[in-house]
Amino acid sequence: QSVLTQPPSASGTPGQRVTISCSGSSSNIGSNTVNWYQQLPGTAPKLLIYSNNQRPSGVPDRFSGSKSGTSASLAISGLQSEDEADYYCAAWDDSLNGRGVFGGGTKLTVL
Amino acid sequence: EVQLVESGGGLVQPGRSLRLSCAASGFTFDDYAMHWVRQAPGKGLEWVSGISWNSGSIGYADSVKGRFTISRDNAKNSLYLQMNSLRAEDTALYYCAKGGIAVAGTHFDYWGQGTLVTVSS
Repeated sequence: QSVLTQPPSASGTPGQRVTISCSGSSSNIGSNTVNWYQQLPGTAPKLLIYSNNQRPSGVPDRFSGSKSGTSASLAISGLQSEDEADYYCAAWDDSLNGRGVFGGGTKLTVL
Repeated sequence: EVQLVESGGGLVQPGRSLRLSCAASGFTFDDYAMHWVRQAPGKGLEWVSGISWNSGSIGYADSVKGRFTISRDNAKNSLYLQMNSLRAEDTALYYCAKGGIAVAGTHFDYWGQGTLVTVSS
């Protein structure tokens, strides 16, 4: 069982806006920043959002992140077929001498 | 261009050891923390271990503490993971990932392609 909780699946049609939630606790999301990773089929994860809402160079502005309290969310607007992938939230957890923690991942299907 | 290339994976029997390596290039290696993240077949991502730029701060997941040892050689731009007392549940694709200035509270901005470790008799 993952420390951060994500829905296992999400879906949308091209052009739609979809959101993926990530729920944690005071020791992780509540006190540290949230990052999001995109993993296309058969490839390594790629940083999508860091520090709650920052996009690395090259990531389209269709992707956005937000955080409130012990929860965070990733929004994808103008959904495209190439967005079909697994998405993971992640944060640092201050318990147990500190550790990195991930959500279980959300598989996004573009219908 | 940042490149991270893992090696050292393979098939190993339960209880045996394996040492993974990660060769880094394209950035100033000794300015950044480095991490190992693994992914069991068909499963999600799991942080394994992280090490600061000068090896002064090190952390491990509970699942590997006492069995795995992370280290780095800044002169060789290399990261290592010594894995002892391997178990079937350690079977996974092991990724090397570049962190930030500190081990904690960081994001992983570059990832290697991974090296597969299979623990089976």
